[in-house]
Amino acid sequence: DIVMTQSPDSLAVSLGERATINCKSSQNVLYTSNNKYYLSWYQQKAGQPPKLLLYWASTRESGVPDRFSGSGSGTDFTLTINSLQAEDVAVYYCQQYFSTPWTFGQGTKVEIK
Amino acid sequence: QVHLQQSGPGLVQPSQTLSLTCAISGDSVSSYNAAWNWIRQSPSRGLEWLGRAWYRSNWNKEYAVSVRSRISIDPDTTKNQVSLYLHSVTPEDTAVYYCARKSITFDYWGQGTLVTVSS
Repeated sequence: DIVMTQSPDSLAVSLGERATINCKSSQNVLYTSNNKYYLSWYQQKAGQPPKLLLYWASTRESGVPDRFSGSGSGTDFTLTINSLQAEDVAVYYCQQYFSTPWTFGQGTKVEIK
Repeated sequence: QVHLQQSGPGLVQPSQTLSLTCAISGDSVSSYNAAWNWIRQSPSRGLEWLGRAWYRSNWNKEYAVSVRSRISIDPDTTKNQVSLYLHSVTPEDTAVYYCARKSITFDYWGQGTLVTVSS
């Protein structure tokens, strides 16, 4: 199984500042035939299901604000939230869909400082 | 717009069968572009993928090793829904259960059902 490890477990960021969340996969999630990383990011607010933010590591889902961006290569990926807003308080998860079992990171809790 | 509506009991007795249904609107359970998944979430296990069913000329199913001996995911084309059956449950199966559509990745989720295993 591919293990997804996120860091940090939690972080507090001032409104309008940048939040950076890291995700490391235990194995490669790059499909060489199409040169795409099979990595997605989700936001989960209290009492709600996860919401898809990004897929292919950096492609924003329709309707997701452009302050959310993704990057990475190899086995290391980053979710960046620029200019943090109050509504961004949530837990964020990375997830690989390269091979089953599909697996998720343990989550990173983002709070307002 | 795709919508997944979950239903089923929130309390199951130990050794019994957990049964949940996910009614699909805005897409077809037989879609060639999607697979229908069940995922659960608990403080001890985090988000855990349980299995999937998908149609590509015939029905295919795949289950996580951790539950393979006691799980079944069954599509119903007449009702456009997919059901989860988890047999012989224990308190460790207490979790919020979600159905989710996977096209590229998990793009639509049900609202979640908290299932507590207790007598």
